[in-house]
Amino acid sequence: QVHLQESGPGLVKPSETLSLTCTVSGGSVSSSSFYWAWIRQSPGKGLEWIGSSYYTGTTHYKPSLKSRITISVDSSKNQFSLSLNSVTAADTAVYYCARHSGSAAGGMDVWGQGTTVTVS
Amino acid sequence: DIQMTQSPSSVSASAGDRVTITCRASQTITRNLNWYQHRPGKAPKLLIYSASSLQSGVPSRVSGTGSATHFTLTISYLQPEDSAIYYCQQANSFPFTFGGGTKVEIK
Repeated sequence: QVHLQESGPGLVKPSETLSLTCTVSGGSVSSSSFYWAWIRQSPGKGLEWIGSSYYTGTTHYKPSLKSRITISVDSSKNQFSLSLNSVTAADTAVYYCARHSGSAAGGMDVWGQGTTVTVS
Repeated sequence: DIQMTQSPSSVSASAGDRVTITCRASQTITRNLNWYQHRPGKAPKLLIYSASSLQSGVPSRVSGTGSATHFTLTISYLQPEDSAIYYCQQANSFPFTFGGGTKVEIK
């Protein structure tokens, strides 16, 4: 059974870089079947997809974040990571990592428990 | 971006009732529509993928229908554990987008 676990600082200062890691167990980030994604939920708001990465390095980002975001996959550590620079209070959220199918036919079927990041 | 609009934003129903949530896409997404349940403090849970396919482990009283731009999620025989926020999500094209959510409350 695949398990995802987010890790990283819970507090980030404005204008600095938010860095989170998602460790994958029970499966491989190098699988050709899946993308690896980050989703966030700001206080009082709904779910927001922010980006996905394939093991080859192919990435897709939310357009409004594209200038600040990098998602990368590290096959040697079986992890993928999120880097979001120049953060503001608007980036305060619970951040989830998740897996989704490489095809459009399939949802985000495995999620991490989420990690709270506060920008202050 | 494809905009996803859910209605209602909230619904209150009694145990044993049936609730239906609607999700509309701003353009056709064929059947590339997923539904999630999100309980407070928990990770979102995939309920339905590809508009109508039941994710493994999800009870059969949960069902999804629709295609193109109009989709519905129905929960029959409502149980206390169904109290949550439900989201639709289009997977037809990047950037993925979620609906605004529907809060289901059990009276």
